[in-house]
Amino acid sequence: GEDVEQSLFLSVREGDSSVINCTYTDSSSTYLYWYKQEPGAGLQLLTYIFSNMDMKQDQRLTVLLNKKDKHLSLRIADTQTGDSAIYFCAEGLNSGNTPLVFGKGTRLSVIA
Amino acid sequence: DVKVTQSSRYLVKRTGEKVFLECVQDMDHENMFWYRQDPGLGLRLIYFSYDVKMKEKGDIPEGYSVSREKKERFSLILESASTNQTSMYLCASSSTGAGEQYFGPGTRLTVT
Repeated sequence: GEDVEQSLFLSVREGDSSVINCTYTDSSSTYLYWYKQEPGAGLQLLTYIFSNMDMKQDQRLTVLLNKKDKHLSLRIADTQTGDSAIYFCAEGLNSGNTPLVFGKGTRLSVIA
Repeated sequence: DVKVTQSSRYLVKRTGEKVFLECVQDMDHENMFWYRQDPGLGLRLIYFSYDVKMKEKGDIPEGYSVSREKKERFSLILESASTNQTSMYLCASSSTGAGEQYFGPGTRLTVT
């Protein structure tokens, strides 16, 4: 079955780069997503990558996909205190109405 | 902008009460989802619906039921609330199963 794994915590200093990693198991994934959840709020879609791409950049965010190793990462450049949140990766399977499969989330703490 | 709204941000109920959580989306999305989120456990899918009057069990449907009488509205029902249902409940919608999901702000339910 499908499974998405993330490390639970990451701590970085303000101004450094953050790299949040994710591994997934289902090779039939079509899209892979990154969501951000701020305290007390719902999840906000940050970015996504199609499975035939290996990189996508969007301002301070860079997504890298290694399909062979089923490894996805999210790099946040020049991390700010406002980036402190929980980050979830999710995979979307190319099988009709199957819902996204989410990881448990990585809590990013940014130290000023 | 896609908007997903949930009827309450905070709710306090007593054990044994029947509880209704309402979710409304304004983007004509086919799919709607209910999750609960607990510390260390990530998001767990309770039920989802890919069409009006259709429902599918997720990973943890026990103790819950759902209703989707109109395309834009998806209700989660706790028939007899118990303290182990104290949690954050998140609703989401998407246009397709593997497509990006848009989340509401969440309802923090406390059952005493």
